[in-house]
Amino acid sequence: DGGITQSPKYLFRKEGQNVTLSCEQNLNHDAMYWYRQDPGQGLRLIYYSQIVNDFQKGDIAEGYSVSREKKESFPLTVTSAQKNPTAFYLCASRTGGSETQYFGPGTRLLVL
Amino acid sequence: AQTVTQSQPEMSVQEAETVTLSCTYDTSESNYYLFWYKQPPSRQMILVIRQEAYKQQNATENRFSVNFQKAAKSFSLKISDSQLGDTAMYFCAFMGTHGSSNTGKLIFGQGTTLQVKP
Repeated sequence: DGGITQSPKYLFRKEGQNVTLSCEQNLNHDAMYWYRQDPGQGLRLIYYSQIVNDFQKGDIAEGYSVSREKKESFPLTVTSAQKNPTAFYLCASRTGGSETQYFGPGTRLLVL
Repeated sequence: AQTVTQSQPEMSVQEAETVTLSCTYDTSESNYYLFWYKQPPSRQMILVIRQEAYKQQNATENRFSVNFQKAAKSFSLKISDSQLGDTAMYFCAFMGTHGSSNTGKLIFGQGTTLQVKP
């Protein structure tokens, strides 16, 4: 069953802690994206990767880091430098020849 | 920089009626893509419809259709025969195609919450 999975569904972060959100896809898509959604707002791009071992900053990359060691995986780390991490995080992917992005189910990050 | 604006934070419609959601955008590019995504209470983002700027014909997907006015930079979504399952937040999104490095970055509007009433 092809698709995009994100885990965990809910994540709690303590002050000063780094946490990692997982995003996996078995669609053989080349490009992957991370978006942040705050209440009542649209999505904003954090990081994206068009190919393995390469990624670029989006509009709100400060306090976040990513890696792209495998085509299927694009984990996002929320570092302690991100002072307001409470949000809903969505991962998306698309194949190189298509304009359409497909989204995972999202991870809700809360600060304790 | 490109921007997308949805000026209706909330809307409601009676079941079986028709509703139109507005979206305007700003860009200097001549070719691009526009999308409407639906986000129901589950928060899963679902593609509703897409339009390529160079195509004159408005896109249609079953009960969903768009009114694309390129000169006015307007991209509204019409939902016909509204159903209770259409209750969701709807996002308009823009993707540019400038240059050879088409990154696929989506720029989203703020969203419109649609309530379909029985």
